[in-house]
Amino acid sequence: QVQLVESGGGLVKPGGSLRLSCAASGFTFSDYYMNWIRQAPGKGLEWVSYISSSGTSIYYADSVKGRFTISRVSSKNSLYLQMNSLRAEDTAVYYCASSPITAAGTFAYWGQGTLVTVSS
Amino acid sequence: DVVMTQSPLSLPVTLGQPASISCRSSQSLVYSDGNTYLNWFQQRPGQSPRPLIYKVSNRDSGVPDRFSGSGSGTDFTLKISRVEAEDVGVYYCMQGTHWPWTFGQGTKVEIK
Repeated sequence: QVQLVESGGGLVKPGGSLRLSCAASGFTFSDYYMNWIRQAPGKGLEWVSYISSSGTSIYYADSVKGRFTISRVSSKNSLYLQMNSLRAEDTAVYYCASSPITAAGTFAYWGQGTLVTVSS
Repeated sequence: DVVMTQSPLSLPVTLGQPASISCRSSQSLVYSDGNTYLNWFQQRPGQSPRPLIYKVSNRDSGVPDRFSGSGSGTDFTLKISRVEAEDVGVYYCMQGTHWPWTFGQGTKVEIK
């Protein structure tokens, strides 16, 4: 079955960097578009970034544009989020979410999340 | 950005009774392909979100038929016909029509 496993979270100082990874299994990675979604402690869900199945279309939330970079490597069935210039307000659980290209505009599968804490 | 507004934000319900959550968008969610990309997700305490409904009214795999979605344009509703204990959690609507994709604030469903 579809499985998404995030890793790479941790404690980082303001202004620092972190790279999140999402390992995908149980489906043909190249047939799925991928997203990062985050949830600050005790708060709601916020979509962060999208990458198409081919990697040619990429979108970011305004709150992370210019600081975060999404990427994918099909040969490794992996999704990444490079986070630079981190701020306290980036503290959140980061979820990897995917959907087949036939299921546009939604998040069909979710990982368990990885916690990023930005604090001095 | 499209603003998604849910109501109520807190919903105490009695076991076996129906429940209804409203979600309104600040602009029409009808996409150029004719589809309306309005989705619902459930987040049980301590768990990742789980998809419930996609494109307004289609249940995701494994979702009990007591959950139903309806609506059009800018006005949508999630209904639970008979609330069970396992339905406790936060419910989010989300639009995938306009970039950036946006979520509602969430509605917390609890048992009275």
